[in-house]
Amino acid sequence: AQTVTQSQPEMSVQEAETVTLSCTYDTSESDYYLFWYKQPPSRQMILVIRQEAYKQQNATENRFSVNFQKAAKSFSLKISDSQLGDAAMYFCAYNGRTSGSRLTFGEGTQLTVNP
Amino acid sequence: DARVTQTPRHKVTEMGQEVTMRCQPILGHNTVFWYRQTMMQGLELLAYFRNRAPLDDSGMPKDRFSAEMPDATLATLKIQPSEPRDSAVYFCASGFLGRGLETQYFGPGTRLLVL
Repeated sequence: AQTVTQSQPEMSVQEAETVTLSCTYDTSESDYYLFWYKQPPSRQMILVIRQEAYKQQNATENRFSVNFQKAAKSFSLKISDSQLGDAAMYFCAYNGRTSGSRLTFGEGTQLTVNP
Repeated sequence: DARVTQTPRHKVTEMGQEVTMRCQPILGHNTVFWYRQTMMQGLELLAYFRNRAPLDDSGMPKDRFSAEMPDATLATLKIQPSEPRDSAVYFCASGFLGRGLETQYFGPGTRLLVL
């Protein structure tokens, strides 16, 4: 079974600085997607970024980028120029072919942004 | 801006009452998911549908929960009778499964409190 691990329950960053959230996963599949979702206090689950495993290039969405290390099964999220609105719970998630459409989520990392 | 909608956003009810939650997936999406989020269990997949057919409802307590898709624009999740342990945030998500894997987009959630 696939597992997703986020080893940092909490992280904090100063406004305008950069922070990296860690995620590792375990799978025997070769074809899968990885995601980062953001959940602010409103509880809405917002898709931040997606990475297809077959793509070597790291995904980027504005201030958000990933460091995808397939061999190491690592998928970290980098937030540049952190803003107060980035404060949220961040979930790493996995979707592979043998899991059907089932998303496997990590435990989450609570990010605090200090002014 | 296409998005998943859910109603109601908040629901407070008494134990034993029926609760119905509704979801409108993003137009064109062929897969609909129901999740439950609690502090203790995190995010759990309750059930999902593809092309309106139920594919997996193994995460759902069968005796009191039921999920249906009367048409492509409406998914429902019912709890009858409700119990205090059902208090949680219930998310609907939708996605499109084509040739590749799918990305799930979440609705704002229904925050349920059963007294």
